[in-house]
Amino acid sequence: DIVMTQSPDSLAVSLGERATIDCKSSQSVFFSSNNKNFLAWYQQKPGQPPKLLISWASTRESGVPDRFSGSGSGTYFTLTISSLQAEDVAVYYCQQFYNTPYTFGQGTKLEIK
Amino acid sequence: QVQLQESGPGLVKPSETLSLTCTVSGGSISPYYWNWIRQSPGKGLEWIGYIYHSGSTNYNPSLQSRVTISLVASKNQFSLKLHSVTAADTAVYYCAKMSAHWFDSWGQGTLVTVSS
Repeated sequence: DIVMTQSPDSLAVSLGERATIDCKSSQSVFFSSNNKNFLAWYQQKPGQPPKLLISWASTRESGVPDRFSGSGSGTYFTLTISSLQAEDVAVYYCQQFYNTPYTFGQGTKLEIK
Repeated sequence: QVQLQESGPGLVKPSETLSLTCTVSGGSISPYYWNWIRQSPGKGLEWIGYIYHSGSTNYNPSLQSRVTISLVASKNQFSLKLHSVTAADTAVYYCAKMSAHWFDSWGQGTLVTVSS
C-alpha cells in the first residue's frame, strides 16, 4: 500500500495569513503516460463528509475559491491557502489514486490562531 | 448534481454482518465507480472498495475476505456487506462516487457501532 503522511497534524494560522499543509507519499504517484500526479486534496468540516478541493495535485474543483492551491510532484505535495478565512477551519486530507487500495493521509486540523 | 444517501442499522452485534445500502439520486449509476469508505478515530479514512457500473469490483486487501459490494442498477442502489464484524469495524461509513479517479460526491455518512 502507498502510505500518505501529512504534516503537521494540526496548524493554527491567523485570519488573512497563509496556511501550508504538506503531504508525502511512500512512493511516487506520478504517472508518466499522462504526465499527471494521481493526488487529491479534501476538506472536511465537523459533521460533514469530505469535500473534494483539488485533483491531479493542482486542479481546483469548480466552485473552490482560488485562495486554495495545490502543488508538488512525485512524492511531495503541498496544499496552500493563501489568505485564511474563518470558513476554512476544517480537517484537510490528501489521497492518492495512483493504485488501489486508495489511501488517505491522517489529516491536518486547521484552526484560527 | 448526484446525491447519495446511506441507510442501514446503526448497531450490529460482534460476529454478525454489517449491511448498508446507498441510494443514488439525481443521476445515473453509469458510467461511474461506486465506493464505500469508512472513517474511525483510530484509523482515519479507509477505502473499503468499489463496484463499477458494469458490476466488476475491487476491494481493499485488508478487508477483502470479509467484504461484498453489490449493485442493483434498476433501483440506483449499491450495497455493502461486511461479515464477522468486531469493535474495530465501528466507524462512520460513507458511500461515494468516483468519476475519474477521485471521490467527487459523498453521502452524509452513517455511524455503525459494533457492540453486544
